Amino acid sequence: AQSVSQHNHHVILSEAASLELGCNYSYGGTVNLFWYVQYPGQHLQLLLKYFSGDPLVKGIKGFEAEFIKSKFSFNLRKPSVQWSDTAEYFCAVNEVQAGTALIFGKGTTLSVSS
Amino acid sequence: DGGITQSPKYLFRKEGQNVTLSCEQNLNHDAMYWYRQDPGQGLRLIYYSQIVNDFQKGDIAEGYSVSREKKESFPLTVTSAQKNPTAFYLCASSIEGVSGVSFYGYTFGSGTRLTVV
Repeated sequence: AQSVSQHNHHVILSEAASLELGCNYSYGGTVNLFWYVQYPGQHLQLLLKYFSGDPLVKGIKGFEAEFIKSKFSFNLRKPSVQWSDTAEYFCAVNEVQAGTALIFGKGTTLSVSS
Repeated sequence: DGGITQSPKYLFRKEGQNVTLSCEQNLNHDAMYWYRQDPGQGLRLIYYSQIVNDFQKGDIAEGYSVSREKKESFPLTVTSAQKNPTAFYLCASSIEGVSGVSFYGYTFGSGTRLTVV
């Protein structure tokens, strides 16, 4: 069965530090990839998505992610985090051939101190 | 504004009781989904529906039931058979329907927090 792994459960950074959150998936076929963010007390919002083309995708709020097919990875990055980036981040995968619902990772909690 | 409305925001249930969580969308999306969110577990799929009058079980469907009589509505019933129902429940929808392939991602509601007392 398809699985999504997010390696870090909790990341603690100071403002202006660089961020990289790991995401790996297990499916070998064609996938569409997503990163969602859940700010405290708010609903999940789409940060960015990849389904074809340039493997480096840019999303909202200065986030970007790189799809590396050979590594089955879709890591999320931000060059300089802000206190307002404190949130939980979820990676999600859609298997194109299977046509089933998005499968989510367990999430990474990011805490940014000012 | 288009979106997904989940109600109620907080729900308390006694053990042995069934309870129904409401999810309504006015986005004209074909597909709707129910996920359960537990700390450290991420989002786990309960049920999904890609078209009216049709739905499929997700990874943790036991103890839950759904219906999809209208495009706009996808209520979730948590039955007494669900052994550990205390959780945060999220409803989502997507414009992509029958194919199941998602290019745009899902729109999520604000969730219902269910507590068994």
